[in-house]
Amino acid sequence: QKEVEQNSGPLSVPEGAIASLNCTYSDRGSQSFFWYRQYSGKSPELIMFIYSNGDKEDGRFTAQLNKASQYVSLLIRDSQPSDSATYLCAVALNTGGFKTIFGAGTRLFVKA
Amino acid sequence: DGGITQSPKYLFRKEGQNVTLSCEQNLNHDAMYWYRQDPGQGLRLIYYSQIVNDFQKGDIAEGYSVSREKKESFPLTVTSAQKNPTAFYLCASSRTLGMGYEQYFGPGTRLTVT
Repeated sequence: QKEVEQNSGPLSVPEGAIASLNCTYSDRGSQSFFWYRQYSGKSPELIMFIYSNGDKEDGRFTAQLNKASQYVSLLIRDSQPSDSATYLCAVALNTGGFKTIFGAGTRLFVKA
Repeated sequence: DGGITQSPKYLFRKEGQNVTLSCEQNLNHDAMYWYRQDPGQGLRLIYYSQIVNDFQKGDIAEGYSVSREKKESFPLTVTSAQKNPTAFYLCASSRTLGMGYEQYFGPGTRLTVT
């Protein structure tokens, strides 16, 4: 069973702090990694994707990938109350077909 | 304005009735997907389609059916055989080739069956 694991939270951080969201995956054949933000009652919105080991930065967001440890993380700098949402980690297996597995998500709460 | 539309936003049905959820995209994406989301759970894949007139079962296809007659459209029918159909249904699309097949989601349809 190929799995994507996330801590369900809630993760609570004060406004202006760095929020760190973590995700582990079980299949070493995974090649593409995505972070989605989902506000309550809404659909997931893609915020970051990363394919190579290392860091990828986009504004206040940084995705970090370590394939050897099968670990991907999302850092949110200068967290704002509007960042309060559930963050879904997704991992795509490049098997010649299409298989993206989603984690259950981590709830983030940013306190004003 | 490119995007994915789903209709209706909310749908209420009685047990035993089939219901069809609409999904349309104008992103020129080849691949389309249907997911189901239940409270506190991740997205579970129902069906996906890589090209017109072809589709494959996902992890939880029982009680569902789809068609892909046009590139832009991928409707999902929830049949009376689906044991627990009340859920949030999400349609997504992506390119098919290369590494960049990140999926983009429509706004979702919340189905309640009583």
